[in-house]
Amino acid sequence: ETGVTQTPRHLVMGMTNKKSLKCEQHLGHNAMYWYKQSAKKPLELMFVYNFKEQTENNSVPSRFSPECPNSSHLFLHLHTLQPEDSALYLCASSSGSNQPQHFGDGTRLSIL
Amino acid sequence: AQSVAQPEDQVNVAEGNPLTVKCTYSVSGNPYLFWYVQYPNRGLQFLLKYITGDNLVKGSYGFEAEFNKSQTSFHLKKPSALVSDSALYFCAVINAGNMLTFGGGTRLMVKP
Repeated sequence: ETGVTQTPRHLVMGMTNKKSLKCEQHLGHNAMYWYKQSAKKPLELMFVYNFKEQTENNSVPSRFSPECPNSSHLFLHLHTLQPEDSALYLCASSSGSNQPQHFGDGTRLSIL
Repeated sequence: AQSVAQPEDQVNVAEGNPLTVKCTYSVSGNPYLFWYVQYPNRGLQFLLKYITGDNLVKGSYGFEAEFNKSQTSFHLKKPSALVSDSALYFCAVINAGNMLTFGGGTRLMVKP
């Protein structure tokens, strides 16, 4: 148990669907992150939130839309995704940018 | 810009033998260095970190890493490998004001 919970664990969706990934942490952390992990590629940082404010958007396409309503919850809204977006999406949190990040177990996303 | 290199895609070692997983980094200023492990169908788990102080850092599950400033390396080591250590290992670096940068990962295979 890492303290970071991601739902759903698996998601299959068509390219025209709209879905959302959810991440929740109760570690008292103030920073939350979305990463994309694809086979044969390094871990890609997508978004960073500090105290609910987005501080990093790593050139992510607009079909990915993050939302951070409070310090404990982070969402990733998905719309009109492409097959190359199939990957493991990992959420993480930390008490500061220089502190270890705690990861959830990810959502395995498959785009048909 | 900061970067991390893990030169080996895979490391094979026999159970009971010592193991080393290599990591070199490039960063301006003083680095903060981390090792994470990822088991199948799980997120990344924090193993250990170097911030400052003693160059030999001890972490979870009997792992340790040695910070070598002159060689800009932070190799992960364990005196006696277990089959259960088989997993994907990531090195990461950050310096003040930047985001965490991960290496490409090294798959460790420990054979009985």
